[in-house]
Amino acid sequence: DSGVTQTPKHLITATGQRVTLRCSPRSGDLSVYWYQQSLDQGLQFLIQYYNGEERAKGNILERFSAQQFPDLHSELNLSSLELGDSALYFCASSETAGNTIYFGEGSWLTVV
Amino acid sequence: AQSVTQLDSQVPVFEEAPVELRCNYSSSVSVYLFWYVQYPNQGLQLLLKYLSGSTLVKGINGFEAEFNKSQTSFHLRKPSVHISDTAEYFCAVSEKLDKLIFGTGTRLQVFP
Repeated sequence: DSGVTQTPKHLITATGQRVTLRCSPRSGDLSVYWYQQSLDQGLQFLIQYYNGEERAKGNILERFSAQQFPDLHSELNLSSLELGDSALYFCASSETAGNTIYFGEGSWLTVV
Repeated sequence: AQSVTQLDSQVPVFEEAPVELRCNYSSSVSVYLFWYVQYPNQGLQLLLKYLSGSTLVKGINGFEAEFNKSQTSFHLRKPSVHISDTAEYFCAVSEKLDKLIFGTGTRLQVFP
């Protein structure tokens, strides 16, 4: 158990819908990262937050957004969902940049 | 821009045999290197990391990796594998010890 908690573990939704994935980082970790793992794209970095502020952005679509709240939990919002958004979404956290990054078990999203 | 190449998508090996999983990276600056393992239906777990110092890095579960700057490689090795090592292994690179850029992964299949 890495200490990073993600909910829900599995989610099935229809095209065009919107979903929110939630992440609770390890206690004391200020940095939160979101990654997408799919068969065709592999593991892709989406976005990083540090203590509530966006720190780095990767291959995140405009239909996707994220935020980190004052209690340090983070949410990834996916809207206007397409079949190609079906993937495993990982949240990860670290104490600060430079420390080991710990991954949650992921949220499986299936868009039908 | 950084990139990681894992040339072997699958590596089959018999139990107690040695194994090497290859990783090459590309970057215009100095980087930090990581190996993560993903067991079925689980998140990513850090095996080992190279930040600086000795180029031979030892990790968990008997794995080790050697950083070779001239060949831009960071191959993962284990002298004797076990059935329980069957998993997906990901090499990753980072320039600033924040976001990780992952390779496409190598599936290690250990046979009895």
